[in-house]
Amino acid sequence: KQEVTQIPAALSVPEGENLVLNCSFTDSAIYNLQWFRQDPGKGLTSLLLIQSSQREQTSGRLNASLDKSSGRSTLYIAASQPGDSATYLCAVSYYGGSQGNLIFGKGTKLSVKP
Amino acid sequence: KAGVTQTPRYLIKTRGQQVTLSCSPISGHRSVSWYQQTPGQGLQFLFEYFSETQRNKGNFPGRFSGRQFSNSRSEMNVSTLELGDSALYLCASSPEGVTGAMDQPQHFGDGTRLSIL
Repeated sequence: KQEVTQIPAALSVPEGENLVLNCSFTDSAIYNLQWFRQDPGKGLTSLLLIQSSQREQTSGRLNASLDKSSGRSTLYIAASQPGDSATYLCAVSYYGGSQGNLIFGKGTKLSVKP
Repeated sequence: KAGVTQTPRYLIKTRGQQVTLSCSPISGHRSVSWYQQTPGQGLQFLFEYFSETQRNKGNFPGRFSGRQFSNSRSEMNVSTLELGDSALYLCASSPEGVTGAMDQPQHFGDGTRLSIL
């Protein structure tokens, strides 16, 4: 059974700090990995998508890395801001699954204090 | 470009009833997926539709069903509602990638919050 784990479940940091969120998956035969953000009462916003052939993706203050051999991905957030407070979810898709069959971790709830 | 639209946003039902949720994907997107989100189980895949055909299905009982119309809009139906069906139901759409494979991010709606009394 494919499983995705995110540690820590919750994180509180002061504004301006750089931080790293972790995601691990049990089966390394993934097709791609996505990082999402979810605000309370809202849907998911796609932040970054990394194909299995890629090592990292960057968007603004966000950088996501992928190490298939170790089954790990990290999301690095630089110079955190209160507006970054949200739940961050990672999800993987596997060969043999369809485009819709994403397997999600349970998320890391991030709180950035002013 | 309008995002993924889900209606209604909130719904209250009682046990034994049935419910239909609607999802309008981003214009041009042909793949629509449905997910259930609960505090205990997190996000779980229900099913995916592409060109009016169910392409993949998660591990949910037959009370959960769906369909897709020719304009790519999708509905999901839950019959004989149970208390455990209380959840946020999310719909996501994506275009078919250049290779026809999974190389495009999914775009999610804000969900329908279903409460069963």
